[in-house]
Amino acid sequence: QSVLTQPPSVSGAPGQRVTISCTGSSSNIGAAYDVHWYQQLPGTAPKLLIYGNNNRPSGVPDRFSGSKSGTSASLAITGLQAEDEADYYCQSYDSSLGGSVFGGGTKLTVL
Amino acid sequence: QVTLRESGPALVKPTQTLTLTCTFSGFSLSTSGMCVSWIRQPPGKALEWLALIDWDADKYYSTSLKTRLTISKDTSKNQVVLTMTNMDPVDTARYYCARSLSYYSGVDVWGQGTTVTVS
Repeated sequence: QSVLTQPPSVSGAPGQRVTISCTGSSSNIGAAYDVHWYQQLPGTAPKLLIYGNNNRPSGVPDRFSGSKSGTSASLAITGLQAEDEADYYCQSYDSSLGGSVFGGGTKLTVL
Repeated sequence: QVTLRESGPALVKPTQTLTLTCTFSGFSLSTSGMCVSWIRQPPGKALEWLALIDWDADKYYSTSLKTRLTISKDTSKNQVVLTMTNMDPVDTARYYCARSLSYYSGVDVWGQGTTVTVS
């Protein structure tokens, strides 16, 4: 059971918009710790997609965006493409645990 | 260019101690704010943060694994070492080392990972 809760799977057709939620608590997201998002393509290491809630590293398309409100955060992907099919993870810091925590991951399927 | 590379045994027996080495280049772990973490991923499962060491040699551990983990650094060799005692088959996973620019920031560069099987 992950400290940060993500839906196990989401899906969408090419060109559509999908969102992935990440629900935490008052000791992590709700305590104003930043949320970061990673994309993991099959058989590869994760890649930083969004940092500091809503910032994109250089090279990440602006189709990807992040937001945070209260004890939850979301990753939105617009103009869905086949190459977006991957696992997505959120990450934050948890003050009760004294360390970093990841969500359980969400598998995105492009129909 | 920042790179990290994990090395260590591919196979360990139950109850043995695992030692993994992360050798990095392109940055210095003596630079203020810099951190290196270990993160693992069992087959088909989610990422799990294990430990972090920062530029000032402060160390942080997963609460659930704290008693089994030790993280250390050798700044002159650009290496970070993780030891995990009393290995069990449930510790079978791909182990990644990764860099972050501060304790609370995201991991911006990951190693390719190394697979460890406990059997």
